[in-house]
Amino acid sequence: AQSVTQLGSHVSVSEGALVLLRCNYSSSVPPYLFWYVQYPNQGLQLLLKYTTGATLVKGINGFEAEFKKSETSFHLTKPSAHMSDAAEYFCAVMNYGGSQGNLIFGKGTKLSVKP
Amino acid sequence: GAGVSQSPSNKVTEKGKDVELRCDPISGHTALYWYRQSLGQGLEFLIYFQGNSAPDKSGLPSDRFSAERTGGSVSTLTIQRTQQEDSAVYLCASSDPGLAASGTQYFGPGTRLTVL
Repeated sequence: AQSVTQLGSHVSVSEGALVLLRCNYSSSVPPYLFWYVQYPNQGLQLLLKYTTGATLVKGINGFEAEFKKSETSFHLTKPSAHMSDAAEYFCAVMNYGGSQGNLIFGKGTKLSVKP
Repeated sequence: GAGVSQSPSNKVTEKGKDVELRCDPISGHTALYWYRQSLGQGLEFLIYFQGNSAPDKSGLPSDRFSAERTGGSVSTLTIQRTQQEDSAVYLCASSDPGLAASGTQYFGPGTRLTVL
């Protein structure tokens, strides 16, 4: 079975500071991993995904994530936070169990950006 | 092009009533998913439709929940005899044949259900 754990339900950074949102996964097969962002009262938007190949994945809005198999991690980073990055971020893994195709989500991390 | 749309955006109902939530996927997307987002449980998978195959209902929490997809497009999620613990945001997502296998899904804005 697959699962993801997001460390920290709330993260606060200053504008211009590094953003680091942590995600660890558990999977018995090579995982497909995702980061989604949710702005208030909106649905989820795909930031980036890892399937195979290059372990450093670049996404939209300047975000990137690195797949580290040895650490079972897929942390999301952005060098310089903007006020517009304030949102909730979800890490997810694709389910290869009984329902191939659905996503299994972490609990989410709410990012606040201080001016 | 148009994204995934859901209606209504908000629904308030009384305990014990039935509700229907609607999802219009992106045109041409054969895969359709329902998820539930609640404070206590986070984002949970409910049900998955892929083309003409039998849906995967493994995430439905009880037999009060059901969903159908007519003509391979619009889907309706029905909750019978609603309970207060059903209060949540219900999200629909769709995916095209090429992307479904890699897990990329496009989400609608959700329906916020409040059961009084």
